[in-house]
Amino acid sequence: DAGITQSPRHKVTETGTPVTLRCHQTENHRYMYWYRQDPGHGLRLIHYSYGVKDTDKGEVSDGYSVSRSKTEDFLLTLESATSSQTSVYFCAIRGGGRGEAFFGQGTRLTVV
Amino acid sequence: KQEVTQIPAALSVPEGENLVLNCSFTDSAIYNLQWFRQDPGKGLTSLLLIQSSQREQTSGRLNASLDKSSGRSTLYIAASQPGDSATYLCAVETGTASKLTFGTGTRLQVTL
Repeated sequence: DAGITQSPRHKVTETGTPVTLRCHQTENHRYMYWYRQDPGHGLRLIHYSYGVKDTDKGEVSDGYSVSRSKTEDFLLTLESATSSQTSVYFCAIRGGGRGEAFFGQGTRLTVV
Repeated sequence: KQEVTQIPAALSVPEGENLVLNCSFTDSAIYNLQWFRQDPGKGLTSLLLIQSSQREQTSGRLNASLDKSSGRSTLYIAASQPGDSATYLCAVETGTASKLTFGTGTRLQVTL
């Protein structure tokens, strides 16, 4: 394992409620990413971080925000969950230097 | 915008057969290409990483090739086994911050 832990692994929430997903790494890697995976769309980048407090948007960032106050933790927040945000969310890490990306086990989020 | 295509979307082969999975990308200005495996309900497992300056990489029964100028990569699996059944994803790194763009995958089933 690449030392990535996502929590929670499963969550059901109601429309309009805030939700925070956590990604924790033990590898001290610089880059961290949040992707969502949906049938027919593959994995799409939501937000990424290239260091503590350094984050930027991906291709599907609307409705999501992120924070990285420590190297090891990258949080994804859905400010007001909608049914279109029902998905499987994956965190990934990368050490830089054009190295391999490693993925967490995913969080299955259902918004009802 | 980089687009990654994987053909076929699904493939079924008998055990022992050699097979090739295809990945194509529209922007040849990539830093590297990575092949992943995903089992149902699981995260992504990195199989092979090919740097843009390389032509191929091998790991056990897997061999990945890269033709950057034509925007293509292949993943060759020798002597397939039922345990190889999974979805195989390719991803290319382009631009800054080591971002990956994914294909939608090829779902492989190896039958007894």
